[in-house]
Amino acid sequence: GQQVMQIPQYQHVQEGEDFTTYCNSSTTLSNIQWYKQRPGGHPVFLIQLVKSGEVKKQKRLTFQFGEAKKNSSLHITATQTTDVGTYFCADHSTGGGNKLTFGTGTQLKVEL
Amino acid sequence: DTGVSQDPRHKITKRGQNVTFRCDPISEHNRLYWYRQTLGQGPEFLTYFQNEAQLEKSRLLSDRFSAERPKGSFSTLEIQRTEQGDSAMYLCASSNRLGRKETQYFGPGTRLLVL
Repeated sequence: GQQVMQIPQYQHVQEGEDFTTYCNSSTTLSNIQWYKQRPGGHPVFLIQLVKSGEVKKQKRLTFQFGEAKKNSSLHITATQTTDVGTYFCADHSTGGGNKLTFGTGTQLKVEL
Repeated sequence: DTGVSQDPRHKITKRGQNVTFRCDPISEHNRLYWYRQTLGQGPEFLTYFQNEAQLEKSRLLSDRFSAERPKGSFSTLEIQRTEQGDSAMYLCASSNRLGRKETQYFGPGTRLLVL
C-alpha cells in the first residue's frame, strides 16, 4: 500500500530559526494537504496543494508540491513558540474513498 | 460551538468490554470519517460515510468494529471485546466537498485506554 514518509521525525529549533519538513510518497499523490496538531490536540487543516509544482504561502509558512507530485514540503520562516506541534502531510484520495493518508509527521519544538 | 464534537473525550475500559463512541459532525456536512491515531503516529483511516451510507472501510476495521450513521447526522463507532491494542485516540472528521477541494474538520477525539 501507499506509504507517506516525513523527515525529520523531530526538530528542535531556537526561536527565530527556520524549519522545514519534507513529505515523500511511494506513489503519486492526488492532492496533498497539510495539518498541524498541537500537543494534546487534534489535526487542524492548514492548506491543500493540487497542481504539480504549486507553491502557496501563508504568512511565515511556505508550502510546495513537487513537479512529479510525489513529494511536498513545508517551510516556516523565523519560528515562534506558537509554531510548536506536529506537522502532518496527507494525501487526499480523490477517488471513491476520499480518505486522507497521513504521513508520519514531524514534531517541532521551539525553544526561547 | 459549531465544530465537530465527540463523546466521551476519554474512556478507560477493561479488556473484553464493549465501548461506543459518538461523533456529531458540523451540521451541513454530508461526509463523516473515522480515524485512529496511536502515540507518535499520524491518523489512520478507518471508515467513511456519505450521508447514511458507509462507502469505505479500511482493513484496519476488524469485525469487532462497527460504525453507523443511521440518519446521516451523528455517527457511532462501537468496538466489541476490546483488546489492549485498541488503545488509541479515535478521531472523527466531517466535510463537504466543493469541486476538487475538500477540507476535513476534525473533532477533539476520544482517547481510549484498554486495561
